[in-house]
Amino acid sequence: GQSLEQPSEVTAVEGAIVQINCTYQTSGFYGLSWYQQHDGGAPTFLSYNGLDGLEETGRFSSFLSRSDSYGYLLLQELQMKDSASYFCAVNQGGKLIFGQGTELSVKP
Amino acid sequence: DTAVSQTPKYLVTQMGNDKSIKCEQNLGHDTMYWYKQDSKKFLKIMFSYNNKELIINETVPNRFSPKSPDKAHLNLHINSLELGDSAVYFCASGLRGSYEQYFGPGTRLTVT
Repeated sequence: GQSLEQPSEVTAVEGAIVQINCTYQTSGFYGLSWYQQHDGGAPTFLSYNGLDGLEETGRFSSFLSRSDSYGYLLLQELQMKDSASYFCAVNQGGKLIFGQGTELSVKP
Repeated sequence: DTAVSQTPKYLVTQMGNDKSIKCEQNLGHDTMYWYKQDSKKFLKIMFSYNNKELIINETVPNRFSPKSPDKAHLNLHINSLELGDSAVYFCASGLRGSYEQYFGPGTRLTVT
């Protein structure tokens, strides 16, 4: 079967750093993507790891370890607008298998 | 300029009816997708078309029938709607095999 595990919710304060973990078990794997979705909005692409290591895009970084079937999204200098759901997704050659999402609440 | 657009944004209908959702993208992508997001926010792929050819067809009831008249358009027709079909349906587009997909604003379908 195919499964992705990520925490259902995380709470942090403005200015803090938060890490959202994702472990996966899938039959095919090309890489791990991260998407952000605000309430009532559409998922939007944040980051991608096709190889092991850290990818940095501004305040957001994503890490992948293929040997551990594990990745994480790191959000730094949290802002209120970062309150949203964050999804990891395994890329199977264009077919995205999504995790159940992590709801991030940023408090003042 | 809207990259991926869907109509309608909201759809309320009764059980047993037939309805359609339309999607258009102006990004020049060759692949389009339909996803279903349930009340627990679980996002699951349903179908994908590449240049009008069906390439992904997940385990979806055959009451759901996608159609792609050209690579910029992908429609979803649903027959004999059931209560369990209530969800948000997202259209997305991308280049074939790409990890980056662009999602439309979603269609919130409520079946009563």
